[in-house]
Amino acid sequence: IAGITQAPTSQILAAGRRMTLRCTQDMRHNAMYWYRQDLGLGLRLIHYSNTAGTTGKGEVPDGYSVSRANTDDFPLTLASAVPSQTSVYFCASSVSGGETEAFFGQGTRLTVV
Amino acid sequence: GQNIDQPTEMTATEGAIVQINCTYQTSGFNGLFWYQQHAGEAPTFLSYNVLDGLEEKGRFSSFLSRSKGYSYLLLKELQMKDSASYLCAVRDSNYQLIWGAGTKLIIKP
Repeated sequence: IAGITQAPTSQILAAGRRMTLRCTQDMRHNAMYWYRQDLGLGLRLIHYSNTAGTTGKGEVPDGYSVSRANTDDFPLTLASAVPSQTSVYFCASSVSGGETEAFFGQGTRLTVV
Repeated sequence: GQNIDQPTEMTATEGAIVQINCTYQTSGFNGLFWYQQHAGEAPTFLSYNVLDGLEEKGRFSSFLSRSKGYSYLLLKELQMKDSASYLCAVRDSNYQLIWGAGTKLIIKP
């Protein structure tokens, strides 16, 4: 089934540990995004990539890094996790950066303790 | 700064009509989006407006007034499955999406 897949679904992580959230899409979309969603706040863009080989910073990039080695994969890395990074993380993709519809993964619920 | 405002929570009755409002102040405008998000699930696309006026799609309609920085999502013939959060988002001059916090819609029988 075509779509966008995130792993893991949920994770409890000790503060200071390194963690990579995985995101894979098989729709051949050029643009991919990482958002975090916190209670009472809108989705906030962490990093984005308009095409393979390029990435950009969103609204809240500090503490996170991404790579886009190929079209399908867009991993998000927390170099040294802190409790404020406790959140639900959504990966999304669209045909292009200016496309109307974005498709979201099922989310990763991350708790940093 | 950039800001998207929508009510935090609304309650409506099954079979009725509900209007969810969204006002925005952004640096530039390249379209307004509505997404639906059921609890614990991913957002899914509902509608897109870039010109003023009403866009109708089945039971759902979305309206835009760019001069007023205002949009609404109209849901008709409400069903229990419409209980969800509705997210308003605006694409700014940099083609980045700015998201509202969402409106939680509760449908009562």
